[in-house]
Amino acid sequence: DVVMTQTPVSLPVSLGGQASISCRSSQSLVHSNGNTYLHWYLQKPGQSPQLLIYRVSNRFSGVPDRFSGSGSGTDFTLKISRVEPEDLGDYYCLQSTHFPNTFGAGTKLELK
Amino acid sequence: QVQLQQSGAELAKPGSSVKISCKASGYTFTSYYISWIKQTTGQGLEYIGYINTGSGGTNYNEKFKGKATLTVDKSSSTAFMQLSSLTPDDSAVYYCARAGSFDYWGQGVMVTVSS
Repeated sequence: DVVMTQTPVSLPVSLGGQASISCRSSQSLVHSNGNTYLHWYLQKPGQSPQLLIYRVSNRFSGVPDRFSGSGSGTDFTLKISRVEPEDLGDYYCLQSTHFPNTFGAGTKLELK
Repeated sequence: QVQLQQSGAELAKPGSSVKISCKASGYTFTSYYISWIKQTTGQGLEYIGYINTGSGGTNYNEKFKGKATLTVDKSSSTAFMQLSSLTPDDSAVYYCARAGSFDYWGQGVMVTVSS
């Protein structure tokens, strides 16, 4: 299985500040069709994960442009600028290029 | 709007089975596969497998073969997951989600296995 290594585990931030989360895969996430199926989610307490970014850098409907995704191959980053209170929670990366799909272990974004 | 509505929490005894449902609305059910995911505090998010909502074909993560059985009822736009031979390690929250980019998720079902 593809191992997704997500760092850091915990990320203290100040409101209005910037956050960066890394996700590295044990093998390339470039599909044979040329697409890269790496996605990012936010899970707030007591809620289901919600899609933020799909296929590396595409913001899902309704996601503020404060969220941006980048990367290629095996190395990916989620950046959050101007952090707001509703951004706090657990962030996960997911690869759906390879079967079985696998998730990162999560990053807790919390107030400094 | 797209919604995946899951059934309610389950309390089950070791050795028994439970069947969880995931009812889709707001889109053409057979246009998207449904995936299932297990979440525990210790193991995080684990991918169980998916079902082709059109054909009923399935693909399981090796880890969950023999544990989970995925089925679908197209007439009611509902996907099901049965978990069998339950042990305390099966206690978790189980989600359904639209496969692919997992753009929509159900609210989750807490399954507690205890004697």
